[in-house]
Parts: sequence; structure tokens; C-alpha cells
Amino acid sequence: EDQVTQSPEALRLQEGESSSLNCSYTVSGLRGLFWYRQDPGKGPEFLFTLYSAGEEKEKERLKATLTKKESFLHITAPKPEDSATYLCAVLKWDNDMRFGAGTRLTVKP
Amino acid sequence: GAGVSQSPRYKVAKRGQDVALRCDPISGHVSLFWYQQALGQGPEFLTYFQNEAQLDKSGLPSDRFFAERPEGSVSTLKIQRTQQEDSAVYLCASSLDIDRGSSYEQYFGPGTRLTVT
Repeated sequence: EDQVTQSPEALRLQEGESSSLNCSYTVSGLRGLFWYRQDPGKGPEFLFTLYSAGEEKEKERLKATLTKKESFLHITAPKPEDSATYLCAVLKWDNDMRFGAGTRLTVKP
Repeated sequence: GAGVSQSPRYKVAKRGQDVALRCDPISGHVSLFWYQQALGQGPEFLTYFQNEAQLDKSGLPSDRFFAERPEGSVSTLKIQRTQQEDSAVYLCASSLDIDRGSSYEQYFGPGTRLTVT
């Protein structure tokens, strides 16, 4: 069965304390893997798309990587404004899009 | 440019009432998606359109849920005879064209929070 699992469910960091969020997936026919950021009361905001194992993308303090079984979102020297829920989603070739439950990140000053 | 917009942002319905939720996608986007998001969970797929054609409605939870996009632009998600379990945030997303090109990212609206009392 197709599954997308994110860990940890919640993560509390001190400002400047780097860490990684994990997204593991078991899907048949991966077309792309997406990372989104969601703030309370808002819709998900697109961050990255990864298409194949070994691919990496960066944006400011965030870097996303992809292997055949999982993706990591690395956060370097986070700031309080990085606090949000980070969602991972996989798109299959039949256009079925599956989301994980998200990781709630809190960065304390 | 303008992003995806949804209205209303909040809707309170009494059990048994019908509701209609509207989505205005990004101009020129061919693909449009509806998701349901429960508190503390990721969005769950409901249905999607390519232009006016509804190509997949496998995620609609019951036959009380109905979606349309008659002119290939604005879409409406209708829920008939609402039940308490329908309470959730309903998200709309659009994509340039899920079937073509090399990028398939979906851009989301702010959502409509539906509360059924």
C-alpha cells in the first residue's frame, strides 16, 4: 500500500540549532516529491520539487535531498520565523498525490 | 500575480444543510485539485480537473460530495446534507498542467474552514 510517513511529528529547536526532517515513502511509480510549508490558518506554501534519487535543492536555510526511499529537509541555523508545519507529498504517475501528516517545527529564540 | 483564492474563508453550517465552496485558480492553470485537511493531518485528495473534465473523483468520501468546473476556470465543491464528520478545512490547489511539462507543483489557496454544528 502507498504510504508517506514523516518524522518526527514535532520538533523543538533553539535558534541556530540545525536539524533534519524525514519523509519516508513507499509508492509505486514516483513522479515527484514535494515539500511544503504550512503556517496556522493558511494553505500549504510550495518549497521544493525533487524528481530523482540523488537530487538536491536549496533555498535560504533549507536544503531538500532525495533517495529511493526517503527525503530529508535539512534546516541550517534556523530562526524563529522558520516555525511552521512542514509537509511532504509524493505524486504518482496516475496523478495521485499523497501527503504525509507533517512535522511541526518550533524554533525558540 | 494573484494566487489561488477561496471563498468563503469560514463557513458554519447546521447539520443537514447544503454548502458550496468556491475556488478561483491561478489564471491559465489547467489542473485544479480539491483536498480535505483534518486538524493535525496532511491534506487528503478529493478530486481533480483538467480544464472542465473531472478526471479523478476517487477521493470524494460519499455521494453527498460533488465538484464542478464548468468553464475550466472557477470550481465549486458542493456538500449536500452536511454531517459533523464533514467539518474540516477544504483546500483548493492549481497547477500549470499536471499532464505536461516538467514541473507539477501545486499552488494552494488559503482554504475554507467548514464547521458543521
